[in-house]
Amino acid sequence: EAQVTQNPRYLITVTGKKLTVTCSQNMNHEYMSWYRQDPGLGLRQIYYSMNVEVTDKGDVPEGYKVSRKEKRNFPLILESPSPNQTSLYFCASSLGVEQYFGPGTRLTVT
Amino acid sequence: GENVEQHPSTLSVQEGDSAVIKCTYSDSASNYFPWYKQELGKGPQLIIDIRSNVGEKKDQRIAVTLNKTAKHFSLHITETQPEDSAVYFCAASTSTGGGNKLTFGTGTQLKVEL
Repeated sequence: EAQVTQNPRYLITVTGKKLTVTCSQNMNHEYMSWYRQDPGLGLRQIYYSMNVEVTDKGDVPEGYKVSRKEKRNFPLILESPSPNQTSLYFCASSLGVEQYFGPGTRLTVT
Repeated sequence: GENVEQHPSTLSVQEGDSAVIKCTYSDSASNYFPWYKQELGKGPQLIIDIRSNVGEKKDQRIAVTLNKTAKHFSLHITETQPEDSAVYFCAASTSTGGGNKLTFGTGTQLKVEL
């Protein structure tokens, strides 16, 4: 089944404790992206990747890192999480114009 | 950069009625306008899209219209059903190839009441 998977689905952590949210797609898509969804703000792009080893900042990149060592994986790294990064995170991938979204990761930073 | 505004933020309709959600965009270079449906606990899923060379597109009970001059586009759902209840997002993009950057609206919570 063609899909985008994210892990973990739920995460509660404390300020400053490094964490990684994994994203994997099995559709051989070149483009991958991370979004955060906050009430009243919609989805905002954090980082995106056009292909392996090619990444770029989206609209809200501060406090986040990404890597794209393999085509299928695009992990989101929070080196020192802060409470304002509490949010719902979505990974997406696409080959053409349609983006396929993962199920989301709800992160709470206390 | 692109800015997309979406209205209303919440919409409640009776089953069988029509629902309309409207979006405006700011960048005249935008040429691709998808609509996503997000059900509770799930990621957004594409339900219909339109490109700038088309004024209207229909797929069964849903349709999208685009007015490039006024820079606005709308989602129309007819004969609404309870399973249409969800959050709907509009988006705009300046690319139709791989790697398009989507700018999303703030979402509309649609509730279809029995």
